[in-house]
Amino acid sequence: GQQVMQIPQYQHVQEGEDFTTYCNSSTTLSNIQWYKQRPGGHPVFLIQLVKSGEVKKQKRLTFQFGEAKKNSSLHITATQTTDVGTYFCAGHEGQRIGTDKLIFGTGTRLQVFP
Amino acid sequence: GAGVSQSPRYKVTKRGQDVALRCDPISGHVSLYWYRQALGQGPEFLTYFNYEAQQDKSGLPNDRFSAERPEGSISTLTIQRTEQRDSAMYRCASMGLPGDTEAFFGQGTRLTVV
Repeated sequence: GQQVMQIPQYQHVQEGEDFTTYCNSSTTLSNIQWYKQRPGGHPVFLIQLVKSGEVKKQKRLTFQFGEAKKNSSLHITATQTTDVGTYFCAGHEGQRIGTDKLIFGTGTRLQVFP
Repeated sequence: GAGVSQSPRYKVTKRGQDVALRCDPISGHVSLYWYRQALGQGPEFLTYFNYEAQQDKSGLPNDRFSAERPEGSISTLTIQRTEQRDSAMYRCASMGLPGDTEAFFGQGTRLTVV
């Protein structure tokens, strides 16, 4: 079945350093979504990308969807302690959004030291 | 309601007992998902519904697990003859439309089988 892997599993950075997490799917995705889960909380939606090669920015966060629509990345510039949490990618398999289930990646846990 | 509501928040049950976990999605949301999340891991897909129709139940671990959404709103995930390995956080999420922009998660039900 479909698998979505993320690397690294853990990342510890000093506040102000950059951070990147990579997401790789075994199958082509119709979209990619990113979620953030704070310790003790539930996943909260950040963004969705749909087009091949699409890049979106949210302040210090940059999201990219690969050309083959099988991988994605999230880059955080100049991390802050408020960025602490686990970042998950998620995607629907198939050609059209909504035709298949939403599968989550394995997650990358980010720790930021002040 | 204002958000996705899950009950109970915590459930401790003895091995061999049946449990029913409830999810009340955001009013009017078409899609409803059930996930299981172990500590430090990503949400693992179990099953999902569009309206009252169960679209995919490929993630249910075995036939002790079942789910229903009879009126296309509230859903119940039932685990029969619980085992210790069933202990986990069970999360429900809803989407306005299939493959809609984001999945809204509830606070989850922490199930402990003793």
